[in-house]
Formats: sequence, structure tokens, C-alpha cells
Amino acid sequence: GNSVTQMEGPVTLSEEAFLTINCTYTATGYPSLFWYVQYPGEGLQLLLKATKADDKGSNKGFEATYRKETTSFHLEKGSVQVSDSAVYFCALSRFNQAGTALIFGKGTTLSVSS
Amino acid sequence: DVKVTQSSRYLVKRTGEKVFLECVQDMDHENMFWYRQDPGLGLRLIYFSYDVKMKEKGDIPEGYSVSREKKERFSLILESASTNQTSMYLCASSSTGGRSGNTIYFGEGSWLTVV
Repeated sequence: GNSVTQMEGPVTLSEEAFLTINCTYTATGYPSLFWYVQYPGEGLQLLLKATKADDKGSNKGFEATYRKETTSFHLEKGSVQVSDSAVYFCALSRFNQAGTALIFGKGTTLSVSS
Repeated sequence: DVKVTQSSRYLVKRTGEKVFLECVQDMDHENMFWYRQDPGLGLRLIYFSYDVKMKEKGDIPEGYSVSREKKERFSLILESASTNQTSMYLCASSSTGGRSGNTIYFGEGSWLTVV
């Protein structure tokens, strides 16, 4: 079945360091791929998405490219800030005739120190 | 602005109680979802609804039921709460148009503790 695997955390970085959070997926068909972010005490917010192969999603300095050949959607940011400390979830869409839900990875906690 | 509102942020209930978690969205979305979030397990789909009075089981429906009498409201019901249902519950909604790329919007979550 469809599934998402993302790197386990926590990831601890200093401010201005380069960030990569790996995400790979298993899916039938052509799902859309998403990164969501959850700040402490809050619900999830969409960070970026890509709906077809080779698409690049980007937002707030974060980027991820939909790679069908490697079934990956790695999240990257060139220079992290303390305010980026959060839990990051990779997800893919699961579409059936009843509608679309998301399948999530287990989440990766990012902690950025100044 | 997009808004998914969960009625209670924090609840403490006793084992065996019937628990209602309410969720309202103001975006006229067709789809609504209930997930639970647990450390090390990520988010798991309990139920979703794609129309009024319609529902579909997710990955972990056991011990839960749902109700969608109006388009904007989706309720999660724990018929007889148990301690293993202590968790963070997240409601979400999305529109139907477009095959699979529509954004799903989340509420802030409801922390349920069953004692």
C-alpha cells in the first residue's frame, strides 16, 4: 500500500546551517506530495506541495522536488533560523472514489539554536 | 482567512465516558477528516467525510464513530473512552475540485486525556 518514510529526528542545527530532511514514498499511481509544518502547540500548516513529477514546491526559503525516479521528496533550506524549529511532516495524497486523504510520515523534529 | 475550529483544546475524561469532539470549518469544503497524532507514529487517519451524511473509514476507525449532519460540522465520537485513546486529535478539511493536489487545512488540535 501507499506509505511515506522520513528520516528520524531530532535534527539539531545551528542558525544559518543547511537543512535536509529526507522523505521517500511508496505509492500506486501519481500522488501529490506535501510538506507540512507543526509549530509548538499548534496544528499543521501546509509548507509546500508538488503535484507531478519534477515539480518543485517552495515556500519561506524551503524547497522540495518531486523525484519519481527515486520516489523522493526531500525538504531543503539553505540557511535555517531559530524560528524554523518545529516538527516537519512529509505526506502524499491518497485518492479514491470517495475523496482524497493524506498519508503522513512520522514527522521529523528540527531544533535550531542561535 | 481559512479557518478550521475545534471546540475544545484540552479535555480530561474518564474511562467509559462517551466523548464528543466537534469541528467546524468556514470554507464550504466538501471533505473533512479526523486524524490522531501520537509521538513516533505521526498522524493516522481515523475517518473522513466527503459529503453531508457520508463517511468513510480511515486506517484506525476502531473505537470511534463520526457524524456529519451539516456541511460545515464534523464530529468525532468515542463511544466508550479508553486510556489508549489518550492522544492529540486533529480535524481537517479540503475542497474536492482538482484530483489530488488540494490543500488540506488543519485545526489546532484537541488534546484528550482519558483517565
